[in-house]
This record gives sequence, structure tokens and C-alpha cells, in this order.
Amino acid sequence: GQNIDQPTEMTATEGAIVQINCTYQTSGFNGLFWYQQHAGEAPTFLSYNVLDGLEEKGRFSSFLSRSKGYSYLLLKELQMKDSASYLCAVRDDEFTGGGNKLTFGTGTQLKVEL
Amino acid sequence: DAGVTQSPTHLIKTRGQQVTLRCSPKSGHDTVSWYQQALGQGPQFIFQYYEEEERQRGNFPDRFSGHQFPNYSSELNVNALLLGDSALYLCASSPGVPSYEQYFGPGTRLTVT
Repeated sequence: GQNIDQPTEMTATEGAIVQINCTYQTSGFNGLFWYQQHAGEAPTFLSYNVLDGLEEKGRFSSFLSRSKGYSYLLLKELQMKDSASYLCAVRDDEFTGGGNKLTFGTGTQLKVEL
Repeated sequence: DAGVTQSPTHLIKTRGQQVTLRCSPKSGHDTVSWYQQALGQGPQFIFQYYEEEERQRGNFPDRFSGHQFPNYSSELNVNALLLGDSALYLCASSPGVPSYEQYFGPGTRLTVT
């Protein structure tokens, strides 16, 4: 089985940097994903890590340490529109069919204030 | 290029009834996964369809069943609805080969009264 933990809520100031942490304990691992979800909308893909290290994509970066079962999402130059839930998800290592089953954390609700 | 589409957008049903939700995957995708998202929670995996067969299943009772058609579209059926089935039901599509690509549809909001 999979267990994924992330903080429930975070608050940050517009223009600042925020780091959202995610820890996981899984029986298998084949990639960690970060999704952004605005209220009432579908999750949208932000980043994917399968190897250790940092992946940078514009204002968003994601880091993975497989040995520690740890990832973080870094958001720079925060904007009001970044207020959303950020979901950490792990893909298990079964490659049956599509092999894309994701196990999600409960999400971190980020509030960006002026 | 149309993304993942789902219908209906919203649905209200009564306990004990049955419901069918529909999903059309993104063009070029042949794998469809269904997720249930309760309010304030992350999505929970229900099952995945590939080549018209259920390939993986999460911890959901047999009341939840599905189907995939030759054009890769999919249906989720829920029988004997319970109040606890009220949630946002998300469909996600991906290419058949294991890939990090997984695109979510807008979801169907199901309310059971």
C-alpha cells in the first residue's frame, strides 16, 4: 500500500517563495507527481520526478529524494492565482496495461495573501 | 485538440438509485482511469481501463463497475447509491504505454440525497 503525507494548509505572501513538502511510504515507486487543483476544477499537471534531484519549470520546481521518501514543490514569485490545492501523488510500479494508477495525498491548501 | 471530456457536469440522485457517468479521453490516449474525490480530500483511484478491460482496481466495492468502448471512451456505473458516494468523479486519460502523461477531465459532481 501507499501512504502519502503533506501539510493540510499553508499561507504565503504574494511575491514570496513557498515550499510544500510531501513524504511517502510505498511498497513500490515509479514516479512522483504534483498537481494543482483550483476549487471545483480538475487537477492540472505541474511536475513529475522519477529520479533524485530537482526539476525546474518556470516558477515551479520539484525535488525528489527516493531514499528518504521525500519530495517538495517550490513555488517562486507567488501570485494570487496560485491560491489552490496542491496534490502530491505517487505512481506504483505495476505496469499492467496503462500502469498509471496514482495514489494521492489529501492535498495542501495554499492561500496567497497580499 | 479536445481534452478529456466528462458528462454530465452535475447530477443529483437518491439513495438506492443507479448512476452512469461518461468520459471521452484526450485524442491519442487509450487508457482511462476513474477517481473519486470527496470534499477536502485527494482523488482516490477506483479503476483503470485499457484495451476494453479493467486492468487495476482500487479499494472500491463491486457496486462500482465500468466499461471501456472500442473508441476508448468509458463509463463508470455505481449501483445502490449511498450518501457517502457523493463526490467529484474524475476521469483521467493517458497513453497506453506507461507514461507520466495523465490528463484529468473537469469531473462530474454527484450528489446523493
